[in-house]
Amino acid sequence: KQEVTQIPAALSVPEGENLVLNCSFTDSAIYNLQWFRQDPGKGLTSLLLIQSSQREQTSGRLNASLDKSSGRSTLYIAASQPGDSATYLCAVIGGATNKLIFGTGTLLAVQP
Amino acid sequence: DAGITQSPRHKVTETGTPVTLRCHQTENHRYMYWYRQDPGHGLRLIHYSYGVKDTDKGEVSDGYSVSRSKTEDFLLTLESATSSQTSVYFCAISESSLSRNGLAGDNEQFFGPGTRLTVL
Repeated sequence: KQEVTQIPAALSVPEGENLVLNCSFTDSAIYNLQWFRQDPGKGLTSLLLIQSSQREQTSGRLNASLDKSSGRSTLYIAASQPGDSATYLCAVIGGATNKLIFGTGTLLAVQP
Repeated sequence: DAGITQSPRHKVTETGTPVTLRCHQTENHRYMYWYRQDPGHGLRLIHYSYGVKDTDKGEVSDGYSVSRSKTEDFLLTLESATSSQTSVYFCAISESSLSRNGLAGDNEQFFGPGTRLTVL
């Protein structure tokens, strides 16, 4: 059974710092990996999707990498801002389905 | 943002009553999903649909049923609500799926704003 883990569960950094969020999964036979952010009381916003054939994806200050063989993905946020404060979730699709398996998230606080 | 709405946004009901949550999309996407989000459990798939009248169970489907009579609407029904079904419910949509030979497609999922359900 696929399990997705995100470490750390919470992270606090000063504004301007570069940071890395980690996501690991137990079954390397995934098809896609998707990163989301969730603001308190809100829905999920899709940030990046990495297909299994890709190594990384970039969007603005965000860069996500994928290493299927080691079962790991990282989300790199450059020059963090207070507006980046949110919970970040990663999710994988494994097997011949469209079902996302979610990690429990990293709560990020960027201090001004 | 993807055009996904959920109704109601908040609901309080009593144990044993039926409840129906609605997800409506304007994107004409083929796939629709219902998740629940609970502290300590994260997001878990309840049911999903891969076309009109085509649905399948997810990880936590007991006590829930779904229907999809039109592309744009996906209904989640709690036949007899229980306190354990107190949760935040999210609907999601996606367009493409995995190809028949198992190669990855796009399948980026987009989420609605959520419905907070309290069962007393």
